[in-house]
Amino acid sequence: AQTVTQSQPEMSVQEAETVTLSCTYDTSESDYYLFWYKQPPSRQMILVIRQEAYKQQNATENRFSVNFQKAAKSFSLKISDSQLGDAAMYFCAYRSPPQGGSEKLVFGKGMKLTVNP
Amino acid sequence: NAGVTQTPKFQVLKTGQSMTLQCAQDMNHEYMSWYRQDPGMGLRLIHYSVGAGITDQGEVPNGYNVSRSTTEDFPLRLLSAAPSQTSVYFCASSPLLNTEAFFGQGTRLTVV
Repeated sequence: AQTVTQSQPEMSVQEAETVTLSCTYDTSESDYYLFWYKQPPSRQMILVIRQEAYKQQNATENRFSVNFQKAAKSFSLKISDSQLGDAAMYFCAYRSPPQGGSEKLVFGKGMKLTVNP
Repeated sequence: NAGVTQTPKFQVLKTGQSMTLQCAQDMNHEYMSWYRQDPGMGLRLIHYSVGAGITDQGEVPNGYNVSRSTTEDFPLRLLSAAPSQTSVYFCASSPLLNTEAFFGQGTRLTVV
């Protein structure tokens, strides 16, 4: 079974600085998708960024970028120029490809990010 | 566009009571799923469906039933609520061959 591990339950960063959130996963598949979701206090799950495993280029979305290391099964999220609105729970997630109806989205345990003014 | 709608947003149940959490999506998504979120545990998959008439178990299915009679709706049933089912429940949907999952706003359930 696929598993997703976020080893740091909490992190803090100063406003305007850069922070990196780590995530590792375990899978025997070669084609899959990886995601980072953000959950602010409103409880809404918001997609931050996604990465297709077949793409070697790391995904970027404005201040958010990933470091995808397929061989190491590592998928870290870098937040540049941190803002107070970035404070939230962040979840790393893995999605298996659709094969015979077994497609699943599996989450890590999450990490609480605090942004200090 | 309503997206994924969950009802109710809050619910208090007594042990042994039954109830159904409703989930509806208007995006014609084939894939729907239910998660529970507990502190320090992330989101854990309860049940999922890849289309009308097809459901399967996730990581923590015990105590929950689902059915998928239409593409739009995917209700989650608690047959006999237990305090261990106190949690926040999320419904999500996505097109099968797409990647992004869209989430409802969650239901906070307390079982006393």
